[in-house]
Amino acid sequence: GPKVLQIPSHQIIDMGQMVTLNCDPVSNHLYFYWYKQILGQQMEFLVNFYNGKVMEKSKLFKDQFSVERPDGSYFTLKIQPTALEDSAVYFCASSLGLGGLYNYAEQFFGPGTRLTVL
Amino acid sequence: AQSVTQPDARVTVSEGASLQLRCKYSYFGTPYLFWYVQYPRQGLQLLLKYYPGDPVVQGVNGFEAEFSKSNSSFHLRKASVHWSDWAVYFCAVSTTGGNNKLTFGQGTVLSVIP
Repeated sequence: GPKVLQIPSHQIIDMGQMVTLNCDPVSNHLYFYWYKQILGQQMEFLVNFYNGKVMEKSKLFKDQFSVERPDGSYFTLKIQPTALEDSAVYFCASSLGLGGLYNYAEQFFGPGTRLTVL
Repeated sequence: AQSVTQPDARVTVSEGASLQLRCKYSYFGTPYLFWYVQYPRQGLQLLLKYYPGDPVVQGVNGFEAEFSKSNSSFHLRKASVHWSDWAVYFCAVSTTGGNNKLTFGQGTVLSVIP
């Protein structure tokens, strides 16, 4: 089936540095998402993105976070500066559409990027 | 706001036995409900989904789930578990008319013993 790729699979950085997490979504999908999972906890919605704009973000999406997808390349999550509490697995997802015919809204997930902030 | 609870952090069953993984949701309106499975080092894969209609939905690999509005539940079932079903299972809810964000439960680790 359709696959979402995430690069890198694991990133270790020092607190205060900048990090960019990359997502290669399903090729014809238009809506993109980031979710965060702290070890042992549930996955939580961070943000979704369409047509160059953030549609909705949660309270976890701090001011230090930003997302973009320049010219149809990777969908990225940037954290600048990083904090210890940003250590988590970040999952990217994409979907063809929203609601309506629900098959279009099915989200396909990547394998996650494990971010460790020291 | 919607929420999902999976009361069992871990379930262990014998291969060939039947399975039920529990999911309770909270949402005042009409929910869309999902079960995802996560195998090691892989992304989430959709097992099945519910949107208003038949309360029993069939999914891949012999899984099914039943929606109950009165119990606010969406339990996952399988008649005969296979060793390859060993994975983490997540229940999730999304809302009609929303921005398609998913709210997940804590996940249930399914272990299968021979």
